[in-house]
Order: sequence, then C-alpha cells, then structure tokens
Amino acid sequence: DAKTTQPTSMDCAEGRAANLPCNHSTISGNEYVYWYRQIHSQGPQYIIHGLKNNETNEMASLIITEDRKSSTLILPHATLRDTAVYYCIVKGASNTGKLIFGQGTTLQVKP
Amino acid sequence: NAGVTQTPKFQVLKTGQSMTLQCAQDMNHEYMSWYRQDPGMGLRLIHYSVGAGITDQGEVPNGYNVSRSTTEDFPLRLLSAAPSQTSVYFCASTMTAYSGNTIYFGEGSWLTVV
Repeated sequence: DAKTTQPTSMDCAEGRAANLPCNHSTISGNEYVYWYRQIHSQGPQYIIHGLKNNETNEMASLIITEDRKSSTLILPHATLRDTAVYYCIVKGASNTGKLIFGQGTTLQVKP
Repeated sequence: NAGVTQTPKFQVLKTGQSMTLQCAQDMNHEYMSWYRQDPGMGLRLIHYSVGAGITDQGEVPNGYNVSRSTTEDFPLRLLSAAPSQTSVYFCASTMTAYSGNTIYFGEGSWLTVV
C-alpha cells in the first residue's frame, strides 16, 4: 500500500471549511484513499473514501487530483466537535485487509 | 444495527493472567480484525480473519490468539498477560478485505496489565 504524508497539525475557525491535505504520490491504480478520524482515543470513525472521482457524503467531501497523487478532505462547516486526529490511508487489494495508520493530522477547531 | 461491539470497555489484569476480549458485528461482514494502539502511535494489526474458520497473523501477533467459529464473533485471547500488552484494542470489520469497502471500528477496549 502506498505511503501517505499529512501535515502534523492544522487549525480551523469554527464555522469555516477545514481543508486537510494528503500526499500519496506512489499510489497505484487500484488503491483507494480512505479518511478516518479519531477523537480522544475513541474508535476510528469512518469519514469517506474514493478511488478516482470526487466524493461527497453527509460528513465531508473528498477531492482527488486527476493524477491521484494527492487528495483533500473538506469539512464544509467545522464545529468544535470536529477537533480530532484525521488519518489519510491508502489501501490496495491486499488480502490482509490491513489499514496503515500514520501519524495523521491533528485538527484543532477554534471558536 | 449495532455495528461493531467490543467488550469489556476497561479491564485491569495481573501479569500472567489470561482473558478474552470480545468482538461482535451484526453486518454479516466476512472480514474482521484486531488492532492495538499504544500511546501516541498509530494502530497496528494483530490478527485478522477473512471468514468463519479462517484466521491469520498480522504484524504483532505474539501473545495473542484468535478463532472465528461464527461470522459474527471474533474474540481475541491474551494467553499470559504482560505489561507490554497494556494498550487500547480495536476490533474492525468490513464486507471483504479488498479495496472499496467501508471498514468499521468498535469503540475500543482499554487494557492495563500490572
């Protein structure tokens, strides 16, 4: 599975959009990009995932560049409850099903 | 639909004791797995199962045992607890191990070995 690079930390004002970048320059054609977040050592919460096209759900939007070497998770209207560690994970067709969690981005939403 | 349920949520063990962490899912997922997370670190895969009767080792399997007798349940056994096994344990499940499926996690089991 391809390695991902994320900024260590980011701040965002409450009510504003939070844009979290992720670099995955070695991604291969059949690998998906997943985003999870973890709040205070709770279980990782699934946010969104995608392969090539941009994706949107009730939580967030995922923008994947045309060359698939990077992506951005967008939380459209961040709230204080969105303060968490956000993990960008690339997962391929591995029969172990393993998700490789890096250090993630600590997003601090401020009033 | 309860998703992935883990029990107990908190447990304190003495060195050398054994115990079982329970994991159950009600989504008819074939794939289930166990991770551990140590302070300030990412999750590491302990064991996984691609279906009832099939289990395999992840990256940190030593000191743990698993079985998968039903689709719904995937218990993790600590055979002889050691302080190094103090950690938070997460169970995860998904339809299959392959790409494109949503992977769901339980809320975690906090284990302290003294």
